[in-house]
Amino acid sequence: GAVVSQHPSWVICKSGTSVKIECRSLDFQATTMFWYRQFPKQSLMLMATSNEGSKATYEQGVEKDKFLINHASLTLSTLTVTSAHPEDSSFYICSAPGPSNQPQHFGDGTRLSIL
Amino acid sequence: GENVEQHPSTLSVQEGDSAVIKCTYSDSASNYFPWYKQELGKGPQLIIDIRSNVGEKKDQRIAVTLNKTAKHFSLHITETQPEDSAVYFCAASKGGGGGADGLTFGKGTHLIIQP
Repeated sequence: GAVVSQHPSWVICKSGTSVKIECRSLDFQATTMFWYRQFPKQSLMLMATSNEGSKATYEQGVEKDKFLINHASLTLSTLTVTSAHPEDSSFYICSAPGPSNQPQHFGDGTRLSIL
Repeated sequence: GENVEQHPSTLSVQEGDSAVIKCTYSDSASNYFPWYKQELGKGPQLIIDIRSNVGEKKDQRIAVTLNKTAKHFSLHITETQPEDSAVYFCAASKGGGGGADGLTFGKGTHLIIQP
């Protein structure tokens, strides 16, 4: 079945650092990918929709200059958390709709810890 | 926007018994309702989904029912097993299941199967 791969799975870095997270669709193309954020023991909140070849669409309250999204190819979307601070520490998960109108498949997430 | 409520937040059942998790949604335009299972440190895995033109769907021990009039849908797991222990999320979208829209998630249910 459709597989979404996310990298890295865990990153720890100092406050002020920028961190890039990759989301890849394996064996299928995804013109659209989605980025979610999940705090401990909470639900997933949609942050933005990543569109191949065009600008991402951000949900209300999500800072586009803080969370930079690039979808440069049909199999890769990246999320860069710029100048990260401790409050940005969270579990970031991407998803992509499978081929032929299949439901969304999720990556295994990236745990981001900012010291 | 869409709002999805999920109950209960924690559910403990004896192995072999049935478990039922309920969700309500607010946006009558929502037409796709997936259920995801999330294990610790992993991304959500789709276990079953239903579209608004169907009232019930079954897949072995798992079933989902949808009442469009009341705007609620439920997950039923029969003959529960220890490996069913996880956090379950319901979600809703207007994308028809094709992944055109991001998902709005409920807050999750921690299902505990007691041996």
